[in-house]
Amino acid sequence: TQLLEQSPQFLSIQEGENLTVYCNSSSVFSSLQWYRQEPGEGPVLLVTVVTGGEVKKLKRLTFQFGDARKDSSLHITAAQPGDTGLYLCAGVETSGTYKYIFGTGTRLKVLA
Amino acid sequence: EAQVTQNPRYLITVTGKKLTVTCSQNMNHEYMSWYRQDPGLGLRQIYYSMNVEVTDKGDVPEGYKVSRKEKRNFPLILESPSPNQTSLYFCASSLGSGSNQPQHFGDGTRLSIL
Repeated sequence: TQLLEQSPQFLSIQEGENLTVYCNSSSVFSSLQWYRQEPGEGPVLLVTVVTGGEVKKLKRLTFQFGDARKDSSLHITAAQPGDTGLYLCAGVETSGTYKYIFGTGTRLKVLA
Repeated sequence: EAQVTQNPRYLITVTGKKLTVTCSQNMNHEYMSWYRQDPGLGLRQIYYSMNVEVTDKGDVPEGYKVSRKEKRNFPLILESPSPNQTSLYFCASSLGSGSNQPQHFGDGTRLSIL
């Protein structure tokens, strides 16, 4: 089974600070997705990155897919309390199955 | 409204008593899947289904069964639940099995097995 490791596991920062979350694998993924999950709810898709080296922006969130398609990062500029949540990266195994693999998650808390 | 509906949202039961968690989607999605979420372990896929009558094991299928008799429904069955199956469960669906297809999740079922 392919693995996705996220770091850091926990992050507590002040409003206005910048942060980066990493999603790493030793395996190639054809694409990676980023989700955000809030308490009591299921994860909600933020973005899908498909091409190696691709950069996508969603307001203050910037997502990047590594050139070799083995890693991805999420950068948040000027974090706000509304960004608080669990961030998850995910991808489909490329070994011929259609299993979905999720990273272990990064729990972000932004303090006002 | 497009949604994935799971029932029940909460369940406390005892070891060995068979239970079923239902999942239904109204988006005509082909791919459906079940996950469990445990602290420090993230979301782990239990079973998935690529279409009616087609199901396959995810990473943690032991102790679970599923069926896909209709496109919209994908129930999760615990024939003889044990305490190590206490967890938060999510059902999800997507248009297809492609890696760029977004998954739509239900709101979760919190299951406690005593």
